[in-house]
Amino acid sequence: EVQLVESGGGLVQPGGSLRLSCAASGFTFRSYEMNWVRQAPGKGLEWLSYISSSGTTVYYADSVKGRFTISRDNAKNSLYLQMNSLRAEDTAIYYCARVSEWTPDYWGQGTLVTVSS
Amino acid sequence: DIQMTQSPSSLSASVGDRVTITCRASQGIRNDLGWYQQKPGKAPKRLIYAASSLQSGVPSRFSGSGSGTEFTLTISSLQPEDFATYYCLQHNSYPLLTFGGGTKVEIK
Repeated sequence: EVQLVESGGGLVQPGGSLRLSCAASGFTFRSYEMNWVRQAPGKGLEWLSYISSSGTTVYYADSVKGRFTISRDNAKNSLYLQMNSLRAEDTAIYYCARVSEWTPDYWGQGTLVTVSS
Repeated sequence: DIQMTQSPSSLSASVGDRVTITCRASQGIRNDLGWYQQKPGKAPKRLIYAASSLQSGVPSRFSGSGSGTEFTLTISSLQPEDFATYYCLQHNSYPLLTFGGGTKVEIK
């Protein structure tokens, strides 16, 4: 069974940093491209970032470019999102998602990040 | 950047109704579109990929159609478990993806 479990969310002050993790199981992690997607409270879905299966190619949405860094450790079956210079508007549930047929097929349950003083 | 516009933003329907949700792209995206269902407090679930291909395990009352700039998600006979928010997602600019704004399907 495919499982994705996010962790690392919490309350952080504006300007602070946080590192999210996503533990993958039930599939050959190293063979799949991965995404991070977020959802602000009461709002829609926003694609944030992509990483290739090898980790050598990454892309970001303009809203987080230069502040967030996606990475992965295929030996540990794990995906990461390093978030720096956090703003109030980054408050959201953050989901990791596996890519298949060009779009996310399996999603984690999400982890809540709250940016507030 | 490709923009995705969904309509309506919300709708009220009864069990058994036929429901249609539309997604329009700001430029042609071939059939590079998926549809997702999200229930409160849950992660999104993929229903349709490549505009019209049904995700394994998804009931056949869900169908997708369209290409180019206009796409449709149809629920042929709305069931109680279908009350949720639905999103389209374009991947023509892969790996840069764009979601539509969502359509909330509520009980009439």
